[in-house]
Amino acid sequence: DVKVTQSSRYLVKRTGEKVFLECVQDMDHENMFWYRQDPGLGLRLIYFSYDVKMKEKGDIPEGYSVSREKKERFSLILESASTNQTSMYLCASSFGTAMNTEAFFGQGTRLTVV
Amino acid sequence: ELKVEQNPLFLSMQEGKNYTIYCNYSTTSDRLYWYRQDPGKSLESLFVLLSNGAVKQEGRLMASLDTKARLSTLHITAAVHDLSATYFCAVEDNDMRFGAGTRLTVKP
Repeated sequence: DVKVTQSSRYLVKRTGEKVFLECVQDMDHENMFWYRQDPGLGLRLIYFSYDVKMKEKGDIPEGYSVSREKKERFSLILESASTNQTSMYLCASSFGTAMNTEAFFGQGTRLTVV
Repeated sequence: ELKVEQNPLFLSMQEGKNYTIYCNYSTTSDRLYWYRQDPGKSLESLFVLLSNGAVKQEGRLMASLDTKARLSTLHITAAVHDLSATYFCAVEDNDMRFGAGTRLTVKP
């Protein structure tokens, strides 16, 4: 079974804190993605990575950064958390070059910034 | 910029009825995916559509892809309560972009 594991299910952080969300996949996938999910807005892409040390901005990268030092791990960093970053964060991974690039998702991290 | 639009956003159905969810997108991609999300859970893959005219069926759900019209449909046949969930389509074009989701409620 493909496994995408996010480090925390629930997080509560204070405004201004630096927050790290970790995601690990065990399928040797090239692509990894970070989305945030908000009611009525679906999933919005924050950043994605198609290889180690490579990253591309998605639709809403402001206030976020990412790190991909190893193929299996993709970290999302909130440089200075703000209340409007309270959301559900979903990590996903997929193969990069195969025909079937179906994405597999982690269980999500519900972040509350107070 | 790739845009993915789903409609309807909310759908309340009686058990036994049929309905279709639509997914329109703005690029020439031929890779489209459907996912299901149950409340409090993550997304689960339903269908992978990789070419024009692709049709996939699983149980009471059938998905199709028309790349010329840039349209995918998810058809529900004889709905049952267990199908209540939120359904997302996603289009791959360098990255993966999702529609806003369709929250389906099937009532007895």
